[in-house]
Amino acid sequence: QKEVEQNSGPLSVPEGAIASLNCTYSDRVSQSFFWYRQYSGKSPELIMSIYSNGDKEDGRFTAQLNKASQYVSLLIRDSQPSDSATYLCAVNQGQGGKLIFGQGTELSVKP
Amino acid sequence: DAGVIQSPRHEVTEMGQEVTLRCKPISGHNSLFWYRQTMMRGLELLIYFNNNVPIDDSGMPEDRFSAKMPNASFSTLKIQPSEPRDSAVYFCASSLDSPEAFFGQGTRLTVV
Repeated sequence: QKEVEQNSGPLSVPEGAIASLNCTYSDRVSQSFFWYRQYSGKSPELIMSIYSNGDKEDGRFTAQLNKASQYVSLLIRDSQPSDSATYLCAVNQGQGGKLIFGQGTELSVKP
Repeated sequence: DAGVIQSPRHEVTEMGQEVTLRCKPISGHNSLFWYRQTMMRGLELLIYFNNNVPIDDSGMPEDRFSAKMPNASFSTLKIQPSEPRDSAVYFCASSLDSPEAFFGQGTRLTVV
């Protein structure tokens, strides 16, 4: 079992719809969770972090965390073509700053 | 702030040659990470430093890879000798007392 798993996609949604990206992790002691966005040919960019169970909203983005189910999700409301990218889920492992990344989900928002 | 700066942006080298990748973290950050990204394996952590000290190098693939951080503003990742399977994008990232890491633009390495 991979430590951090994501559906590779591609996930295709129409413009204006809600995109839902999912991630599961295997290490129960993980305490912090992150979503990065990576445009083709570019570097990963941090867009959301979440540390507690529940929802965290930032503009059109909502991160959801359920530690009991070892599940993290990212919702993108009112999706725009500019949201088309690969979204990487990352989990902090251990006491230090070590991040373990999932393979990423490719999102395509169609005009 | 200029962000994390990596050089070179692109590197093409022949198998067996030594390759050195360079990174300048964000000023004031105390953790530095080297990642490698390939289509097959995704984004893998190779090594990370905290306060210039290597903390976890379990991701370094083999002895051909080495990394140093002589001071808080500079790190190198060296591959000697390079092999075609080392071809990838290498990212450096930095953070301050947090796992929220900020990435450089990456170095695309091609070994022929």
